[in-house]
Amino acid sequence: DTEVTQTPKHLVMGMTNKKSLKCEQHMGHRAMYWYKQKAKKPPELMFVYSYEKLSINESVPSRFSPECPNSSLLNLHLHALQPEDSALYLCASSPGLAGPTDTQYFGPGTRLTVL
Amino acid sequence: SQQGEEDPQALSIQEGENATMNCSYKTSINNLQWYRQNSGRGLVHLILIRSNEREKHSGRLRVTLDTSKKSSSLLITASRAADTASYFCATDEGGGFKTIFGAGTRLFVKA
Repeated sequence: DTEVTQTPKHLVMGMTNKKSLKCEQHMGHRAMYWYKQKAKKPPELMFVYSYEKLSINESVPSRFSPECPNSSLLNLHLHALQPEDSALYLCASSPGLAGPTDTQYFGPGTRLTVL
Repeated sequence: SQQGEEDPQALSIQEGENATMNCSYKTSINNLQWYRQNSGRGLVHLILIRSNEREKHSGRLRVTLDTSKKSSSLLITASRAADTASYFCATDEGGGFKTIFGAGTRLFVKA
């Protein structure tokens, strides 16, 4: 199984809502990533988990809260978002063994719209 | 911050022609990778080239890396309509898991 799955595919939420994005992989990868991508822009790294520990937080606002319950799952909890947070949120995983030479496997993304 | 800069931003060619995309970066790297993204979908890894390699091939793809000029190019030969996508280079920052993507080239291959 070489697939990274993300749910939901689409999410519309109000600024006062609380929602969560879910990412799952069963490739035994030990590094997992969250990216944010605006239209016609490249993905921007948000968070990296390595061996279930947060290793990189790219100064992301606290209204985004990541969680890695186990080595196969990665969540992104959303609270009090702003309309400018509307974007495609991509999850990725990599073996986590080679560090900078890891190939990342991406999920299809969650299209988030904040009203 | 975006380390990789790519040109052209957009490229339109006929099926069967070759497509060349370029990427430049600013700091030292251990490797450079190329990814493809179909519209609004996840990214797919194409090829990785290490800093001590100068050229690499994979099927119709040819990647070069010039560390002295801090640049890389991706050549797609005999393009097909299915190659229509955005192409991104991605670099590490000398270690760790931090990956920085270039601005990307949007390729349109006309049948």
